Amino acid sequence: GAVVSQHPSWVICKSGTSVKIECRSLDFQATTMFWYRQFPKQSLMLMATSNEGSKATYEQGVEKDKFLINHASLTLSTLTVTSAHPEDSSFYICSASLTNTEAFFGQGTRLTVV
Amino acid sequence: AQSVTQLDSQVPVFEEAPVELRCNYSSSVSVYLFWYVQYPNQGLQLLLKYLSGSTLVESINGFEAEFNKSQTSFHLRKPSVHISDTAEYFCAVSGVGAAGNKLTFGGGTRVLVKP
Repeated sequence: GAVVSQHPSWVICKSGTSVKIECRSLDFQATTMFWYRQFPKQSLMLMATSNEGSKATYEQGVEKDKFLINHASLTLSTLTVTSAHPEDSSFYICSASLTNTEAFFGQGTRLTVV
Repeated sequence: AQSVTQLDSQVPVFEEAPVELRCNYSSSVSVYLFWYVQYPNQGLQLLLKYLSGSTLVESINGFEAEFNKSQTSFHLRKPSVHISDTAEYFCAVSGVGAAGNKLTFGGGTRVLVKP
């Protein structure tokens, strides 16, 4: 199947700093990627839809100025958590689709803000 | 909009016993249905999916799920589990015709297989 690579797999940062997470589709082009957030022992919540060449679409309640998404090419989307705080600590997962019938997920990034 | 309910948050089961994970959904449009498995600190792997056609779908590792439109359910079953099946399982839906594969997930069911 198609491969989606997410980097880094884990990151620890100080409160107030920004962190960038990359999501790459390695062997296919994805016009649409999705970013999810997962709290411990909970489900995945969609944060935003990343559209290549246009602005991301954010879900209700997600601060677009805090979670900056850039989808500059057909194989790369980035999520930047700006001015991170401890409550932003979470597991962030991206997915990319070839079609609307299957998504391929990255390995996830565990963000810890201290 | 869609919503997904997984009725069991945790299911302990003995090795070689059968297991059923329940999933119900609601949606105002037709949906595709998915089951994903997640191992600790990893992303999600697709187990199986229902798009159309036969309501019974199977995975290569012995899982099967049946789409029941009248009951809006997509329960996952395995007749005999292995220790390696210990993981978190997520049921998900996406709207037919939606751009990309935007998924709405259930709360997850943690399966713990005991020897």
